Amino acid sequence: GDSVTQMEGPVTLSEEAFLTINCTYTATGYPSLFWYVQYPGEGLQLLLKATKADDKGSNKGFEATYRKETTSFHLEKGSVQVSDSAVYFCALSYTGGFKTIFGAGTRLFVKA
Amino acid sequence: NAGVTQTPKFRILKIGQSMTLQCTQDMNHNYMYWYRQDPGMGLKLIYYSVGAGITDKGEVPNGYNVSRSTTEDFPLRLELAAPSQTSVYFCASSYVAGANSYEQYFGPGTRLTVT
Repeated sequence: GDSVTQMEGPVTLSEEAFLTINCTYTATGYPSLFWYVQYPGEGLQLLLKATKADDKGSNKGFEATYRKETTSFHLEKGSVQVSDSAVYFCALSYTGGFKTIFGAGTRLFVKA
Repeated sequence: NAGVTQTPKFRILKIGQSMTLQCTQDMNHNYMYWYRQDPGMGLKLIYYSVGAGITDKGEVPNGYNVSRSTTEDFPLRLELAAPSQTSVYFCASSYVAGANSYEQYFGPGTRLTVT
């Protein structure tokens, strides 16, 4: 079946460091890929998405590229801030469908 | 728009008690979902609804029931609470139309402890 695997956390970085959170997926078809972010005490909210191979999603300085050949959708940011401290979830969903499969989440701590 | 709202924010139940978690969305989304999030884990789908009057089981439905009498509301019922139901519960909604599916919008969650 379909699945999403994320790197285990927590990830601890200093402010202005470069961030990469790895995400790989297994899919029977051609899904859309998402990154959601969960700030402390809140629900998940969409950070960015990509709907087909080679698409790049971007938002708030974060980027991720849909790589079909490596079945990956790694999240990157060039310079993290303390306010980026949160849990990040990689997810997939099929166009025309509705079920979203989430990874286990990766907690990010950013120190000042 | 308030988005997706959930009540209560926190609740402690004794084993065997029952309760209903409320969820309301004001975005006119046709699809609604209930997830649970256990510590250090991803989200598991409990139940979902594709429209008023239509519900179906997700990955972990045992011990829960739902109803969807209106587009806006999607309550989750726990009948006989068990310690294994201690979790954070999230309600979500999305708009699905034909070949297009869109992101899910989440409520702030209900933290439930069963002792």
